[in-house]
Amino acid sequence: ILNVEQSPQSLHVQEGDSTNFTCSFPSSNFYALHWYRWETAKSPEALFVMTLNGDEKKKGRISATLNTKEGYSYLYIKGSQPEDSATYLCASSNTGTASKLTFGTGTRLQVTL
Amino acid sequence: DAGVIQSPRHEVTEMGQEVTLRCKPISGHDYLFWYRQTMMRGLELLIYFNNNVPIDDSGMPEDRFSAKMPNASFSTLKIQPSEPRDSAVYFCASSFVSPWGVVYEKLFFGSGTQLSVL
Repeated sequence: ILNVEQSPQSLHVQEGDSTNFTCSFPSSNFYALHWYRWETAKSPEALFVMTLNGDEKKKGRISATLNTKEGYSYLYIKGSQPEDSATYLCASSNTGTASKLTFGTGTRLQVTL
Repeated sequence: DAGVIQSPRHEVTEMGQEVTLRCKPISGHDYLFWYRQTMMRGLELLIYFNNNVPIDDSGMPEDRFSAKMPNASFSTLKIQPSEPRDSAVYFCASSFVSPWGVVYEKLFFGSGTQLSVL
């Protein structure tokens, strides 16, 4: 059973601050790592799917990196805005059950003016 | 495309009653997943289907839970009899196999069903 951990659990930053969160996952038999953004009262929306060690993905002010050898991924937000307030989930799968994602409990980000 | 459609959005029922949750995946998607969201355990995978066939139901809590996918455009998750500890948000999600061979791309989630069992 995969154990995906995210830190911190919650984060409160001011508008304009840059921030980052961590996702840790078992590195053995790694297959894919997903990041999702989940706004309150909405459903999770995919940000990135990464599979290769050293992968870096970017979407606007948000970017992510992947280290499959040591089992971690970072999500960065540059110049946080109030609309970035959401819970950020990561999920990983392994080669034995590539279709089966295990989610972390998320990092809840609050951006204030 | 309207995205993944779930119904009902909210369900309030009494303990012992049967509950049926419904999901229509995005047309053309090969995979359909049922997740449950609780404060204690986060998002848990209950069961998933590939081409309408159940592949892994190891996350289904017990025999009171069952899921079906009679065709590519419809799936149900049934709880019979329901209990207060089943109260949670149930999400359906769908996905597809990418041309590059990744087993599936990102998940597309429905809006969820908020279930309350009194």
